[in-house]
Amino acid sequence: KNEVEQSPQNLTAQEGEFITINCSYSVGISALHWLQQHPGGGIVSLFMLSSGKKKHGRLIATINIQEKHSSLHITASHPRDSAVYICAVGKTSGSRLTFGEGTQLTVNP
Amino acid sequence: DGGITQSPKYLFRKEGQNVTLSCEQNLNHDAMYWYRQDPGQGLRLIYYSQIVNDFQKGDIAEGYSVSREKKESFPLTVTSAQKNPTAFYLCASSINGLPDTQYFGPGTRLTVL
Repeated sequence: KNEVEQSPQNLTAQEGEFITINCSYSVGISALHWLQQHPGGGIVSLFMLSSGKKKHGRLIATINIQEKHSSLHITASHPRDSAVYICAVGKTSGSRLTFGEGTQLTVNP
Repeated sequence: DGGITQSPKYLFRKEGQNVTLSCEQNLNHDAMYWYRQDPGQGLRLIYYSQIVNDFQKGDIAEGYSVSREKKESFPLTVTSAQKNPTAFYLCASSINGLPDTQYFGPGTRLTVL
C-alpha cells in the first residue's frame, strides 16, 4: 500500500462544478503539499499546509491531522483548471517528499 | 527572473548510450532533487543533494549518477545500466532541504530508441 493515496484517479467535470480531490496518508508528516501539473509537464506548488485550511482564489485546501486526510477543493471550476493534481507529504522522519500518483482533472466547457 | 531551467525539453538517444540531463537554478537554493515520472505513477526520487559536493541516493538511483560541483547546477547522467530509461525527468530545488516547498523545472522527456 502506498504511503500517500489519492482519489479519484480521474475526474471529469462540467464548467462551474465544485470539485473535490482527496488525499490520505499513513505516515507522520511535518507538512502536506498540493501541486498542479499542466499538460506540458511543468509543476507548480499550490499549497503547503500542516494544519487547518488555506485558500487561494478558487482553490481551498484542508487537512485533518488526526484522520491523516487532506482535501483540495476547486470552486466554480473552469477548463483551465484541467491538470494533474498531486498530493505530497514531508515525513517527520526525513527531509524528502513522498508523492501520490496524482488525480487527472478534466473540466469540460 | 529566478527559476529552474532544464534542457533540452525533448531528448532522444540510442540504447546503450549515456546521456546527461541539465538542471540549473538561480534561486540560491541549497537543496536540489531529481525525480522520474512514469505514466500512472507518482514522482519517484532518483538522487538529491542538500549541499554542494554532497548528494544521496533516492529510491531508484540504480543506473543513474549525479554531481553537485556548483550550488546552481545538478546534472543527471542516465547510464546504459538503467534498464528502462524512457521517462519524464523533473528537477526541483528547495531553500534548505527540509520537506519544504519545492520549485520544479519544466522537465525533460527522454526517449531511448
